[in-house]
Amino acid sequence: EAGVAQSPRYKIIEKRQSVAFWCNPISGHATLYWYQQILGQGPKLLIQFQNNGVVDDSQLPKDRFSAERLKGVDSTLKIQPAKLEDSAVYLCASSLVLSDTGELFFGEGSRLTVL
Amino acid sequence: DQQVKQNSPSLSVQEGRISILNCDYTNSMFDYFLWYKKYPAEGPTFLISISSIKDKNEDGRFTVFLNKSAKHLSLHIVPSQPGDSAVYFCAGDTGSKLTFGTGTRLQVTL
Repeated sequence: EAGVAQSPRYKIIEKRQSVAFWCNPISGHATLYWYQQILGQGPKLLIQFQNNGVVDDSQLPKDRFSAERLKGVDSTLKIQPAKLEDSAVYLCASSLVLSDTGELFFGEGSRLTVL
Repeated sequence: DQQVKQNSPSLSVQEGRISILNCDYTNSMFDYFLWYKKYPAEGPTFLISISSIKDKNEDGRFTVFLNKSAKHLSLHIVPSQPGDSAVYFCAGDTGSKLTFGTGTRLQVTL
């Protein structure tokens, strides 16, 4: 079974530029998450999708971050314009709708460096 | 407000000994707790979980203990192996949201 795919793995941009990350979840997983992990911290949820719909985006900085999930499968996370403090690893995860344990399956992450 | 806390940023243990990683939480709405393991340049992978109605769950070398009255859980790894060297994240699940701690870096030495 293929895992969660993310691209690009690494991205370096200057502040005020824009960047987009792509995620393809595990087939059949209805729920998709974007997490931000800043160095030395735990992953922080940015947005959660259930199929096409947004379940939770309370911690998404909506003035600069946007995300969409096309046809309930792939998702993109965009940052425009980027700030220095956006330097982090952006992790995409997916899960079944009903899970005994709440287990999430993570991709390898996209590391963003903002100069 | 940090709902899940891992107060030890790092831990070093000799191979073959027991590793004990600790986690404290404040949110009483968590109904599951999970431990994730993360190697460098990889995403976190699920390790073991425990329901809030249980006090122990065991899976091979890994055991998680939950003390609800103290709002504390711990992960025991016995015996520790060099391949266990990684960052371990504790997470609380309300059923709709997973909240992670800051992680503990475990180094298993030969």
